[in-house]
Amino acid sequence: DAGVTQSPTHLIKTRGQQVTLRCSPKSGHDTVSWYQQALGQGPQFIFQYYEEEERQRGNFPDRFSGHQFPNYSSELNVNALLLGDSALYLCASSLVERYEQYFGPGTRLTVT
Amino acid sequence: EDQVTQSPEALRLQEGESSSLNCSYTVSGLRGLFWYRQDPGKGPEFLFTLYSAGEEKEKERLKATLTKKESFLHITAPKPEDSATYLCAGSGGSNYKLTFGKGTLLTVNP
Repeated sequence: DAGVTQSPTHLIKTRGQQVTLRCSPKSGHDTVSWYQQALGQGPQFIFQYYEEEERQRGNFPDRFSGHQFPNYSSELNVNALLLGDSALYLCASSLVERYEQYFGPGTRLTVT
Repeated sequence: EDQVTQSPEALRLQEGESSSLNCSYTVSGLRGLFWYRQDPGKGPEFLFTLYSAGEEKEKERLKATLTKKESFLHITAPKPEDSATYLCAGSGGSNYKLTFGKGTLLTVNP
């Protein structure tokens, strides 16, 4: 049973650049959420996608945007990168009628 | 606004020394209280969901319990491989998101 997968594993970008992170949900799951985790902190909710629509959004600026595809996979885009965007970006998948979310391994983004 | 607070921030145990981690929550209309384990540089691994006060769940050396204000993760006779950060999260009301605490870093020495 394939779990949640994310790519790339690591990424180094320069301030002002744009980045796209990708996520494939666990087999059978239809909902994808994105979280940002700074060092020593718990994950912070960015947004959730279901049926290719943004279902809920956390307190993140419009520089953070996303997309869900018909096969339920998802992308997170961040524009105009800031040094403070350096973090572990986590994707989590779930079934719409269930509350448990299952996380992928994360993408470590470093902005220099 | 939902809040989840975990204590202690760090806990160091000797192998076999049982203890508990605390998670205090203020989540309106709680639909679920979740425990995760996270190893360094990895994504959180799902452990338990608790839905209502009085509920208990067990897995190997771990047992999670829930009251109306707190959840506890009891670790019985821990081993070095139980060393990790344990995260607590809540979800409630019309929220689909998980609100996480900062975690407890558990170190078990042989």
